[in-house]
This record gives sequence, structure tokens and C-alpha cells, in this order.
Amino acid sequence: DAGVIQSPRHEVTEMGQEVTLRCKPISGHDYLFWYRQTMMRGLELLIYFNNNVPIDDSGMPEDRFSAKMPNASFSTLKIQPSEPRDSAVYFCASSLAPFKSVMPKNIQYFGAGTRLSVL
Amino acid sequence: DAKTTQPPSMDCAEGRAANLPCNHSTISGNEYVYWYRQIHSQGPQYIIHGLKNNETNEMASLIITEDRKSSTLILPHATLRDTAVYYCIVRVGGGTSYGKLTFGQGTILTVHP
Repeated sequence: DAGVIQSPRHEVTEMGQEVTLRCKPISGHDYLFWYRQTMMRGLELLIYFNNNVPIDDSGMPEDRFSAKMPNASFSTLKIQPSEPRDSAVYFCASSLAPFKSVMPKNIQYFGAGTRLSVL
Repeated sequence: DAKTTQPPSMDCAEGRAANLPCNHSTISGNEYVYWYRQIHSQGPQYIIHGLKNNETNEMASLIITEDRKSSTLILPHATLRDTAVYYCIVRVGGGTSYGKLTFGQGTILTVHP
């Protein structure tokens, strides 16, 4: 398996523009996670999905952020409008459901991330 | 989930064992200890996890004290490629908390020639 695939790897945009980050989880994984990493706040969980349904979005910073998972093999994280403080590295991760793995592995596999710069 | 405390940085000579400590004095009986690492410009990578017994895999060994209030990750023969930030994470193995990994600041391990 190619692992979790994120695109683009780098994104530079201007304040006010819409940004869409994409993620393809590992085939067969039931859970998908979006994280954000900054120097100030470290790695933070933004939202996660189970079987394409958002379960916990309490980490989403504000209404400018939205995430969707239209099917089991694709998810997007959208920022509209973007602001300079959104500059960060955004990671996507996926994992198996507990009943499909030897409990409690719950191992999350991360993508390489998207480095976002909002000017 | 229980909080963890790790030293901010450590050094290790190439070829020697790297022993990374983690304190988790408030850990509950149903919480596991997970270790991840993040090499520069990459996503975090799972290393190992355990509940109360010591664990070993192809990457590392995990030693958990009998009272489970602390643990040590051991890289038996560190290489330059092991230079990374190492995160110790404690969390419930299932239930409503499933899925959440709470990353702290971690330990920056520098392996030098």
C-alpha cells in the first residue's frame, strides 16, 4: 500500500483565498483524522471521521474551516477565507477500526503533510 | 487521557543505545502507552505501544515500570536516521476516546557521529 497520500505537498496562497487540502487514506481504513502542526501549538487534532461520518470536530478552530469525506477513499479540508495565522503543516492520518485489528493497536498512519503558507 | 512529561532534548552517540524516558504518573488502568516519532519534514510514525508488560519490536523496546507511572523507550543501536522528535502518548485503548492522539512537546533526540 502506498500509505496515506496528501496533496498538495506545499501550498502558498494569499489571505482571503480559498484553500483545499486533500487526503487519500489507506485502503480499508475506517478512521480518518486531520491534524494541524505549528511551532506554537504543536500537533493538534482538528477533526476525525468514522466510516465517512464526522465524529468529533471540536478541534476545528472556527467556521472558516470545514472538512468532508464523500467516500471511503477521499477527504478534503477546506479553509475559506484563509488567513496568515492558518499557516501550518496539515497532516492526515488513517487507522483501522478496533474490531478489525488486534486490540488495541489503534495505530494511526500519517501522510507526509501539506505545508500551507498564507501571505 | 493522562498527561505525560518528557525531557525536551537528548543526545546520543551513533551505535549506542538511546533511552528516552516518559513520566505518566496519572495513568489509569485502561490506558496504554504509545510512542511515535517525527523525523524532520515527515508525518509522525508509530513506533511501539504497551499496557503493562515490556514490549519489543523491530524498531525499539518499551519498558514500563511495575506501577506504570513511567516508561522508557529504548533504541538499541541508534543511527543518524533516528534523529527525530519522540512523542510519548497515553490514551484509552478504546471506547469513546478511540481515535484521539494527544501530542505533547516530545523529546528532540539528536544522534551524533
